[in-house]
Amino acid sequence: SQQGEEDPQALSIQEGENATMNCSYKTSINNLQWYRQNSGRGLVHLILIRSNEREKHSGRLRVTLDTSKKSSSLLITASRAADTASYFCATLTNTGNQFYFGTGTSLTVIP
Amino acid sequence: DSGVTQTPKHLITATGQRVTLRCSPRSGDLSVYWYQQSLDQGLQFLIQYYNGEERAKGNILERFSAQQFPDLHSELNLSSLELGDSALYFCASSVAGIGLAGPVEQFFGPGTRLTVL
Repeated sequence: SQQGEEDPQALSIQEGENATMNCSYKTSINNLQWYRQNSGRGLVHLILIRSNEREKHSGRLRVTLDTSKKSSSLLITASRAADTASYFCATLTNTGNQFYFGTGTSLTVIP
Repeated sequence: DSGVTQTPKHLITATGQRVTLRCSPRSGDLSVYWYQQSLDQGLQFLIQYYNGEERAKGNILERFSAQQFPDLHSELNLSSLELGDSALYFCASSVAGIGLAGPVEQFFGPGTRLTVL
C-alpha cells in the first residue's frame, strides 16, 4: 500500500479562505515534499521539509511536520481560484531508496 | 515549463503491443524517475536511474523495462500491454537521486497518456 495518505480527499473553499490538507505516512522518512498537480498535467514541486525540521514557509504556503505522529500539513493562506488543483505529499524513506506519493487532496477554490 | 520533456504526448495502442516512452531530463539533472498515474492506483513510483545506472525500483511490472542513455535521456518500454496499463506515465528528473547527497526535488514532465484498447 502507499506510504502516504492525504486528508481530506476533496476540499472546496471560497477565494480568500485558508486551505489545510494533511498527510500521514507509515515509515521513517528522510524528507517530505508537497507537490501540486493541475488536471492532467505534470506535478510541480512546492516545498520540501526535512525530517529534522518542524515548520517551513514559502510565500502563502506553510508546511508542518510532526515525525512523532508521522504526519504533515500544508496550509495555503488567502487562497485564489488559481490554487485549484490536486495536492500530493511525497515521502523519501529513511533507507533512502523509495519515493512514495500520497493519494492526493483535490482542492477547489470558488471565486 | 519544468524543462523535462516527454514524447509522445498521447499514445493509443492495442492489447499485446509494445510501446516506448521517451523522456529528456532538465539540463544538468542526472536522475530520472518514472511514475505511473491511474485513477485506481494513484501515483506509483516505477523506477529511477542515476547517471545511466538503475538506482531504485518501485512497483514496476516485469513487462516494463527502462534505461538511461549516455546523453541522460531515458526510455520506458512497456510490452504485452493490457487494458489496465492505460494511464498517465510521468517522467521526473532531479539533480541528485535517491540515496545520494544533494537536492531530490523532482521536476516533472507533462506526461504521456497511454490508452490501451
